[in-house]
Amino acid sequence: GEDVEQSLFLSVREGDSSVINCTYTDSSSTYLYWYKQEPGAGLQLLTYIFSNMDMKQDQRLTVLLNKKDKHLSLRIADTQTGDSAIYFCAETPGRDDKIIFGKGTRLHILP
Amino acid sequence: DVKVTQSSRYLVKRTGEKVFLECVQDMDHENMFWYRQDPGLGLRLIYFSYDVKMKEKGDIPEGYSVSREKKERFSLILESASTNQTSMYLCASKAGTSTDTQYFGPGTRLTVL
Repeated sequence: GEDVEQSLFLSVREGDSSVINCTYTDSSSTYLYWYKQEPGAGLQLLTYIFSNMDMKQDQRLTVLLNKKDKHLSLRIADTQTGDSAIYFCAETPGRDDKIIFGKGTRLHILP
Repeated sequence: DVKVTQSSRYLVKRTGEKVFLECVQDMDHENMFWYRQDPGLGLRLIYFSYDVKMKEKGDIPEGYSVSREKKERFSLILESASTNQTSMYLCASKAGTSTDTQYFGPGTRLTVL
């Protein structure tokens, strides 16, 4: 079946790197996404990676994809208080236009 | 920029009332989605639509219906609201190609008393 798993909470000190991990089950997924949800707001696409890539870097964000283990991670360098949010991992199984979301990881920034 | 708007940010209704949640997108997207978001459960898909007048059940359609009379508008209807439908409701839209992502509205926090 389809399932995207991620831990529910992560606490990181300001200035440190945050690493949010995700596992997915559908090996035919073509795109994998990271969404960010700030308090009281909808989801915003943060970044995405094609399934034929291993890594994607965008300023402070680095996405790593291990297709063999079906593992996706999001690294945020120099974590700031504005990074405090819920981060959702998501995959597109490829056979329709649905996106399967994880339950979200709440990132808490410690002073 | 893609814009997805939802008719209300906050809504309070009574048990048994009929509730309409409206979603409008301005990018001529074919696909539109309704999710509910609850703590610890993440996003759950209620209904989606591939085109005008077309609808498909998602994972938790019970107690809900939808309407898509125009391409830009997708309505979620609670025929008789119940307290277990208190939740955050998120609308999203997406172009018809599998390469595009979903764009989300700001959400409607519905409380049913």
